[in-house]
Order: sequence, then C-alpha cells, then structure tokens
Amino acid sequence: ETGVTQTPRHLVMGMTNKKSLKCEQHLGHNAMYWYKQSAKKPLELMFVYSLEERVENNSVPSRFSPECPNSSHLFLHLHTLQPEDSALYLCASSQEPGNTEAFFGQGTRLTVV
Amino acid sequence: SQQGEEDPQALSIQEGENATMNCSYKTSINNLQWYRQNSGRGLVHLILIRSNEREKHSGRLRVTLDTSKKSSSLLITASRAADTASYFCATNYNQGGKLIFGQGTELSVKP
Repeated sequence: ETGVTQTPRHLVMGMTNKKSLKCEQHLGHNAMYWYKQSAKKPLELMFVYSLEERVENNSVPSRFSPECPNSSHLFLHLHTLQPEDSALYLCASSQEPGNTEAFFGQGTRLTVV
Repeated sequence: SQQGEEDPQALSIQEGENATMNCSYKTSINNLQWYRQNSGRGLVHLILIRSNEREKHSGRLRVTLDTSKKSSSLLITASRAADTASYFCATNYNQGGKLIFGQGTELSVKP
C-alpha cells in the first residue's frame, strides 16, 4: 500500500463511451502525475500537476482530459478512445514535481474495444 | 528524446548471485531514481540519487552515478527469487517536473 489509490482497477470501454479514471492520495503531496504503460514500451508521461496547476502536458491527444480539483485528487476523463489506447494507466504523487520520490498507485488496466 | 536507456533489457541469474543493471541518459539531470515493478502492478521507489552524489546504499541495493558519463548502475547483491521484477531508472531533468522513465530491465532470479 503506497498511499495512492486508483479506481477502477480494470475498465473495459467501447470507442464511443465516456469514462473517468480516479486517483487519490492522502500523503500531503503537492504533485500528481498520469503515466501510460503499454506492452513492450516504456512508461509515457502524460500530465503533471503541481499544486492543482498543470505544469506538463506531453502532447497527449485531446481525447484524454485531466482534471485536478484539489491536491489530493486527480482524474483522467476519457472519450472516443481508440483500441491502441488500451494500456495500464498509472497515477503517481510526490512532494515536489520531479525532485522527490514518486509514489505510484496500482494502476487501471484499460481495454478499449 | 530525454528518455534514459537501460541495459540489459533482460537478465536471468541464480539466487545468491549479484545483479547489475545500467542506465544511460542524454542531458544534465537534477536526480536519477530507480524503481521496481512487479508484473502489471504499480512501481515502487527504491533509491533517489542527486546529481552531486556518486553512490548510495539501501540494504542490498547499491546505486552509483557518473555524471561525466551520464550513466548510473543499480547493483542488487545476494539476489533472491523475490527480487524477480522489472527495474526502471527515471531521470528528472533541469526543467519542470518531468520524471522520465527508461525501458526497464526484466530481472529473473531462479531459485
């Protein structure tokens, strides 16, 4: 248990669906991240939030929309996804963005059909 | 790309042996971090080494950093079957909050 909780753990969605991934941390951290991990590929940084403000956006398609309503919660809203978006989506948090150790959630395994 | 590169991609050893994994990167860094991932699960932080440090230890783990060669190594001594996992290096560059991961090394420790 790292203190970072992701829900749901598994999600199957159609290409026309809209769904959201949720991440929650109660570690008092100021930075939160979304990563995508596809098979045989390195972790891809998607978004970084620091004190609820987006500080990094790594050229992610607009069908992925992040939201950080407060420093403890991070969402990833999904709409009109493609099958190649199927992957493990990992949320992480750290005290400061990039400069301290990151704590990861267990991930959401997303399958787009 | 700022992404680090790791080698080997896969490593298979016997229990009790030492395992060494290497990570190279391209530009100046603030820090370099090592993580472990068991199959399909979240990553667990192992060690963070800052750019002005050369070596750090944590239990059976030893990390070195050579900024002149832009490389780091992770040594696991007296390996155990439970050390079987993927190991990733991640670098924090001198701009922003990016923490960029390498492709990882898959370590298999056979009992």
